[in-house]
Amino acid sequence: DAGVIQSPRHEVTEMGQEVTLRCKPISGHNSLFWYRQTMMRGLELLIYFNNNVPIDDSGMPEDRFSAKMPNASFSTLKIQPSEPRDSAVYFCASSTKTETQYFGPGTRLLVL
Amino acid sequence: GENVEQHPSTLSVQEGDSAVIKCTYSDSASNYFPWYKQELGKRPQLIIDIRSNVGEKKDQRIAVTLNKTAKHFSLHITETQPEDSAVYFCAGTVSGNTPLVFGKGTRLSVIA
Repeated sequence: DAGVIQSPRHEVTEMGQEVTLRCKPISGHNSLFWYRQTMMRGLELLIYFNNNVPIDDSGMPEDRFSAKMPNASFSTLKIQPSEPRDSAVYFCASSTKTETQYFGPGTRLLVL
Repeated sequence: GENVEQHPSTLSVQEGDSAVIKCTYSDSASNYFPWYKQELGKRPQLIIDIRSNVGEKKDQRIAVTLNKTAKHFSLHITETQPEDSAVYFCAGTVSGNTPLVFGKGTRLSVIA
């Protein structure tokens, strides 16, 4: 099993640019989670999906953030336009039901 | 909803000593409590979990205890080693219903 796959692993962009983060969950997992991690705020849940349907996006900080899950094997988190305060590590995780979550390696985003 | 508090935020121990990290939760319906370890620059990884139908679970040098009445659970690491140095997160949820709610994390440093 390859585990949760995220791409890119690192992203450096300029303020105002669009950023798209990608995630492939573990096959057979029906829940997918997007987190943001910073030193100041810790691990924050942004949004999660059950069976490809967004269930709770109350953690999404602003309308600049959007997430989609067009099928069971792919999800994207988009930031448009990006701002320096969006700099963080973004993790994707998947699970069966909503129990043990398995995290991807993360995308380290730096917005200049 | 669930709220998980974790203490202490930082912990330093001498190699070979024991380390204890404590968490409290607010939702008496919560029944699943995993612990994650995050090494510097890496993803959070599950190290042990416990369900509400047991009071204690052990795996080699790590153990977790659960007190449902008091609504708290603890991680115990015995004979600590430098490679135990990491950030540890506790979490809780009502299994199959809502996502994990994470504590803020404990940075454990094991001094050789």
